[in-house]
Amino acid sequence: AQSVAQPEDQVNVAEGNPLTVKCTYSVSGNPYLFWYVQYPNRGLQFLLKYITGDNLVKGSYGFEAEFNKSQTSFHLKKPSALVSDSALYFCAVRVMTTDSWGKLQFGAGTQVVVTP
Amino acid sequence: NAGVTQTPKFQVLKTGQSMTLQCAQDMNHNSMYWYRQDPGMGLRLIYYSASEGTTDKGEVPNGYNVSRLNKREFSLRLESAAPSQTSVYFCASIIRGFQYNEQFFGPGTRLTVL
Repeated sequence: AQSVAQPEDQVNVAEGNPLTVKCTYSVSGNPYLFWYVQYPNRGLQFLLKYITGDNLVKGSYGFEAEFNKSQTSFHLKKPSALVSDSALYFCAVRVMTTDSWGKLQFGAGTQVVVTP
Repeated sequence: NAGVTQTPKFQVLKTGQSMTLQCAQDMNHNSMYWYRQDPGMGLRLIYYSASEGTTDKGEVPNGYNVSRLNKREFSLRLESAAPSQTSVYFCASIIRGFQYNEQFFGPGTRLTVL
């Protein structure tokens, strides 16, 4: 079965420190991976995606993610966290469907708390 | 562009009542999706519509029906609400498949079933 896992329910980090949110995946074929962020009482917003090419993907708000095929991981990173980065982060993987349009399988989410 | 809009924002139902959640997008997207979000479970797909005129079941379709009214609108109906359907519901859309594009999400509908 194709799936994505976020092993940490919550990540706590001090403002200015590096932030990492972990994600591992299990898919057949080439993975198409996404990160989304959800601020309180809002819908999900797209951060970045890996389709093919460079293993380091840059996205919105200073975030980047590193694709590691051997470790089947796609960790989200930010060199210097801000209090405003406090939110719920979701990793997702594309799952193929019989009509070939595809759909997203989401992880359970990781709550990031950045303290001043 | 308004993006993806959902109505209502909040709703409280009694067990057995019915209601329809509305979703519309003005981005000329082909595919639309309904998810539910529950604590610790991420987003789970209820139904999706790959293109106008088609709908398919997702992971958790039981107790729900959908209608792709036209290219812009995709509604979700609860025929007989149950407390287990208390959740936050999100509609999303995408221009085509996931090869190169991301989904756009609405702001959500918070539903409580008593």
